[in-house]
Amino acid sequence: AQSVTQLDSHVSVSEGTPVLLRCNYSSSYSPSLFWYVQHPNKGLQLLLKYTSAATLVKGINGFEAEFKKSETSFHLTKPSAHMSDAAEYFCVVSQAGGYNDMRFGAGTRLTVKP
Amino acid sequence: EAGVAQSPRYKIIEKRQSVAFWCNPISGHATLYWYQQILGQGPKLLIQFQNNGVVDDSQLPKDRFSAERLKGVDSTLKIQPAKLEDSAVYLCASSPRTGGNQPQHFGDGTRLSIL
Repeated sequence: AQSVTQLDSHVSVSEGTPVLLRCNYSSSYSPSLFWYVQHPNKGLQLLLKYTSAATLVKGINGFEAEFKKSETSFHLTKPSAHMSDAAEYFCVVSQAGGYNDMRFGAGTRLTVKP
Repeated sequence: EAGVAQSPRYKIIEKRQSVAFWCNPISGHATLYWYQQILGQGPKLLIQFQNNGVVDDSQLPKDRFSAERLKGVDSTLKIQPAKLEDSAVYLCASSPRTGGNQPQHFGDGTRLSIL
């Protein structure tokens, strides 16, 4: 069985300051991990994915995430927030060798203040 | 490349009525997924197709929900009869093939409101 816990339901930052969205996962097997972003009334867009290669993963729009097996974490970061980053972010775990049974976290809503 | 297309974007019906949603995946994508996203929650997988066969429908409420993917391309998801708790956004996604390391490409969803 696998699951993810997004530790914050809402994060608020000021424009130009760093962003940290926290995610812990649980998986009985080698996991694949993803971060998706969802803007209002839109579908989900892939930000980045970890599939057992480099533990530091770079994604689109300046986001990156670090896979830490010892801490079972996959936190998402960005050095400097932009107003356009305001959205809902989902951490997702899947079994790497499985049939793509994705389990989504409950989401973190990011607010960016001017 | 064209993305995943879904229609309609919005639907309002009364409880006990029936409704159908349509999805056209990215061309060449063998795997298609339907998700239910209730307000304030992450998406929950309802059903996964590999070509025109069902891979996983363990979370599909089969007494009222049905889905098909004829010819392994387009798919429809139907609810009959609808209940108030079915109010949600229904997302369709596709990936080139099945496998846990395959990212999924999502459509914009259909927002269903039950009165």
